[in-house]
Amino acid sequence: QKEVEQNSGPLSVPEGAIASLNCTYSDRGSQSFFWYRQYSGKSPELIMFIYSNGDKEDGRFTAQLNKASQYVSLLIRDSQPSDSATYLCAVNGSGGSNYKLTFGKGTLLTVNP
Amino acid sequence: DTGVSQDPRHKITKRGQNVTFRCDPISEHNRLYWYRQTLGQGPEFLTYFQNEAQLEKSRLLSDRFSAERPKGSFSTLEIQRTEQGDSAMYLCASSANGGVGSPLHFGNGTRLTVT
Repeated sequence: QKEVEQNSGPLSVPEGAIASLNCTYSDRGSQSFFWYRQYSGKSPELIMFIYSNGDKEDGRFTAQLNKASQYVSLLIRDSQPSDSATYLCAVNGSGGSNYKLTFGKGTLLTVNP
Repeated sequence: DTGVSQDPRHKITKRGQNVTFRCDPISEHNRLYWYRQTLGQGPEFLTYFQNEAQLEKSRLLSDRFSAERPKGSFSTLEIQRTEQGDSAMYLCASSANGGVGSPLHFGNGTRLTVT
């Protein structure tokens, strides 16, 4: 059973701070990594994806990948109350299952005004 | 960009009844997925279609569940003889055939409540 682990939180940060969300995965063959945001009662929304080791920046969001450590993270700079949501880490399968994403349970982020 | 469309948004049914959900993927996407999500959990994979072919079905999907994608367009997910444990959000997603790990784009989901 391939697993994706996230700290369920809640993670609470003040407005304007950096929020750091972490994820580990068990399948060494995984090549694609995704972060989804999910507001309460809504469906997941893709915010970032990363395929290569290192950092990838998109606006206030930075995804970081370390395949050797099987670790992926998401940094949110200048956090806003509207960033309050559950953040889901997703990892693709390896080999013949590379089309399928396995999700973590998500980390609940609360940004306090 | 019309996005992934799911219908209905909410369904309340009594235990033992059959229900059917519909998903219309993004038109140029040939990959279609069904996931299920319960409170406090991440989405769990149920089944996958490439065009009209159902290529994988999770062990989570009992014999009471069936999914189809005729002509490789929309998809339906049917649950027969519903049980209270079937209560969940059923999410449909689609992706382009873009090689390794194309992002999934989710619909708004169908929330099923079995009483």
